[in-house]
Order: sequence, then C-alpha cells, then structure tokens
Amino acid sequence: DIQLTQSPSFLSASVGDTVTITCRASPGIDSHLAWYQQKPETAPRLLIYTASTLQNGVPSRFSGSGSGTDFTLTIRSLQPEDVATYYCQQLYSYPHDFGGGTKVDIK
Amino acid sequence: EVQLEQSGTEVKKAGESLRISCKASGYRFTDQWIGWVRQMPGKGLEWMGIIYPRDYSTRIGPSFEGHVTLSVDKSVSTAYLEWRSLRASDSAMFYCVRQSYHTDWRAIDLWGQGTLVTVSS
Repeated sequence: DIQLTQSPSFLSASVGDTVTITCRASPGIDSHLAWYQQKPETAPRLLIYTASTLQNGVPSRFSGSGSGTDFTLTIRSLQPEDVATYYCQQLYSYPHDFGGGTKVDIK
Repeated sequence: EVQLEQSGTEVKKAGESLRISCKASGYRFTDQWIGWVRQMPGKGLEWMGIIYPRDYSTRIGPSFEGHVTLSVDKSVSTAYLEWRSLRASDSAMFYCVRQSYHTDWRAIDLWGQGTLVTVSS
C-alpha cells in the first residue's frame, strides 16, 4: 500500500497569512493526488485534483503543487471561512487512502 | 442537480445486519465509480471501497474486506453498503462518494450528506 504522511496535524494562523500543508507519499504516485476540505459537521468537498488543478468554484487563494512523493496545499491570505480540516488522498493505486488530516484554525 | 442522497441515521445492536443506501441523480449512474468513506467519531477519513455500476467491478480496502459488501441497483441508480454482522466499532459516519475517472484526472468529486450509524454492544 501507498503510505501517505500529512503534516502538520494542526496549525493556527492569522487572517491574511499564507499557510502550507504537506503530504508525502511513499512510494511515488505521479500526480494522482487530491485535496479536500471538511468544515465541522459537513461532508468534505474537493479542492484540488491531479495535485495542482483547482476544482470549479474553489477560491483562487487555494493552490496545490508537487508530483511523485512530495505535495503541498497552500492557502494564501487565510480567511475565517477556511477554518476546516484538510485531507490529501492518493488515487494512484488501491486502496485510495487519505492522509491523516490537518486541522486549520485562526489565531 | 447532480447529487448523492443517502439514507437516514441508523441505530443498531452488535450482531445485527444493516444496509444503507445512496441514490444518485443528475448524472449517468453507470459512467463513474461510486463508493464509501468512513469517518469514525473525531477521526479522519478512511477510504472503504468503490464499485463500478456498469460491470459491478469492486475495489475494497483491506481494512474492510470481508466485513462489508458493496452493491448497486442500476434500475434505481442506487448504491448500497451492507454489513451482515455489525460490531460496536462500526459506529461512524459513512459518506457515499462518486469517484470520477477521466483521461487525465481522477478524484472524489461528489459527496453525499452522510449516514450516521450507531451500534451498541
């Protein structure tokens, strides 16, 4: 199975800050990585697929990068509505597991 | 509207059987894989498995293999997740998902609202 390691597990930042979440895959997964946002008490939603493609309707302050083993999700100019838990998922080989999640809070 | 509508909250006892459902609408049901994601209380997302309605091909994660059954009824565009014998540790929120595959991209691009299952021992 592919091992996905997401970090940090928690981060707190101020409104307007840029935050970065990392997802490391072992072995490599080409660009078959997606990012999801889950707000409290709601179903997750797709933010980014194929490592860097923004899903329709997602604000442009979200961006993704990486390929192979190392991936990042960046939120520029953090907003109060971005408080959520973020998950990466590999879709390279079965099972299509998720990372452990990163909870983002506002200072 | 493209959506996945899941069945309601379930409260069961350990050892009982259960089937929860997920009705798809707004897209061709047989075109994409449909599956399930588990979220235990206060925990992260766990990919359980997917099924391809067109030919019933199934992929199930090793943690769930042998304990759950995935099925579909194409006539009503509905997917099912079934347990023959529930355990208290099956208590969780279960999300129905559409896992889309395209030539150059793949992702879970549609989520149901979730079905909460509580199993008492």
